Amino acid sequence: DGGITQSPKYLFRKEGQNVTLSCEQNLNHDAMYWYRQDPGQGLRLIYYSQIVNDFQKGDIAEGYSVSREKKESFPLTVTSAQKNPTAFYLCASSTGNSHLRYEQYFGPGTRLTVT
Amino acid sequence: AQTVTQSQPEMSVQEAETVTLSCTYDTSENNYYLFWYKQPPSRQMILVIRQEAYKQQNATENRFSVNFQKAAKSFSLKISDSQLGDTAMYFCAFMSYNNNDMRFGAGTRLTVKP
Repeated sequence: DGGITQSPKYLFRKEGQNVTLSCEQNLNHDAMYWYRQDPGQGLRLIYYSQIVNDFQKGDIAEGYSVSREKKESFPLTVTSAQKNPTAFYLCASSTGNSHLRYEQYFGPGTRLTVT
Repeated sequence: AQTVTQSQPEMSVQEAETVTLSCTYDTSENNYYLFWYKQPPSRQMILVIRQEAYKQQNATENRFSVNFQKAAKSFSLKISDSQLGDTAMYFCAFMSYNNNDMRFGAGTRLTVKP
């Protein structure tokens, strides 16, 4: 089945450690995104990538880094510079076609807890 | 920058009744998409309905329909014959034709009561 996978579902880390969240899609989508969701708030864009080897900062990129070496994969690293990393992280993808800028498809999310 | 506002943090409705969730947005663009996403307790984001701004006809998907008022920049979601499984957070979202940057509202928590 086509879809987006994020692993793990729950992740625990000690403060000061970098951690990488996985996102893989087999939808053959060009564009991929990372969002952060905090209680009582909507989704906020961290980074997005419209094509392999290219990515752009979103509204809250500080303390995060990404790579896009393969079309299928868009891992997000939460660095120790991120002041409040505990949150729910959602990965999404879309066709990215300029004539068909359609909805984004979301993965199941990763809950990151940093103590 | 575009902003999306959902003024109802929480709503409730009796099973089988109809409920309308509000959404307004701010943009200077003429061509864009609007979406409603549902996030149940599992936290999986699910697309409910989409509307292209150039279409005057309001989108419908089974029990879900929208009232799109482009001049007023309003995009409300009507859920008819509410079911217990409709209990979820609902997010309104805006996407410009010019980029892939989707903007979300803060969400409305809907509870369907038996």
